[in-house]
Amino acid sequence: SYELTQPPSVSVSPGQTASIPCSGDKLGDKYASWYQQKPGQSPVLVIYQDTKRPSEIPERFSGSNSGNTATLTISGTQAMDEADYYCQAWDSNTASVVFGGGTKLTVL
Amino acid sequence: QVQLVQSGAEVKKSGASVKVSCKASGYSFTGYYMHWVRQAPGQGLEWMGRINPNSGGTNYAQKFQGRVTMTRDTSITTAYMELSRLRSDDTAVYYCARGVVVEVVADPNWFDPWGQGTLVTVSS
Repeated sequence: SYELTQPPSVSVSPGQTASIPCSGDKLGDKYASWYQQKPGQSPVLVIYQDTKRPSEIPERFSGSNSGNTATLTISGTQAMDEADYYCQAWDSNTASVVFGGGTKLTVL
Repeated sequence: QVQLVQSGAEVKKSGASVKVSCKASGYSFTGYYMHWVRQAPGQGLEWMGRINPNSGGTNYAQKFQGRVTMTRDTSITTAYMELSRLRSDDTAVYYCARGVVVEVVADPNWFDPWGQGTLVTVSS
C-alpha cells in the first residue's frame, strides 16, 4: 500500500521559516494536501492541490510538490502556528486516501 | 456557512456496534463526497472511507472492509458511519469531513471542513 512519511518533529524560532517534508513514491505525480491540528481541535485544511491556500489561511503558509517530496513551508512562523501537521494524498491503486504520520511543529 | 455537526460521545462494549451521525448544512449535500477519518488517542489520522451522497456509492479502506458501513439520508442532509464488532483499539475520535465534488472520482482530494469529532470509547 502507498505510504507517506513525515518527520515526527520540527522546531523553528519565531519569525523564521519552517519547512515540513512529506515523502512518498512519485508523490509529485499526485496532489498533496496539508492539515493543521491543534490540541483538542479538529484538523483544518491549510494547503490543497499542492500549492493552493484556502482564503482564510494566512499567506505565510505555502506548499510545493515535486519528485518524491511535498513540502509545507511556513514563513515568519508565529507562536500560534505550533501544532501537528499532516500531509495527505490519494492512492489511485487502492482508491483510498493516505495520510502521513504527522509532524509536531514546535515554535521556540 | 458550511458546517458539519456530529452526534455525541459514545461508550460501547467490545463486540457491539456504534453509529455516528454527521449533519451537514450550508452547501449542496449531494454535491460533495463525505469522508470518515478517525484518530486514536495520541495517534495520527486514519482514513476509513467515503460516501457519494448523491448515489450512495462507497469506498472503504481495506482495513475496515466488512466492519464499516457508510450511509446517508438526503432528506435530512445527514451522513452516517456504523462500525461493528468493536474492539478496544477502536477507541478513537471519529470525524466526518467534506470532500471534493462528486464529479471528481480520484485526484485531487482534500477535506474541508471537518466535523467537531465524536469520541467513541470501547470497553471490555
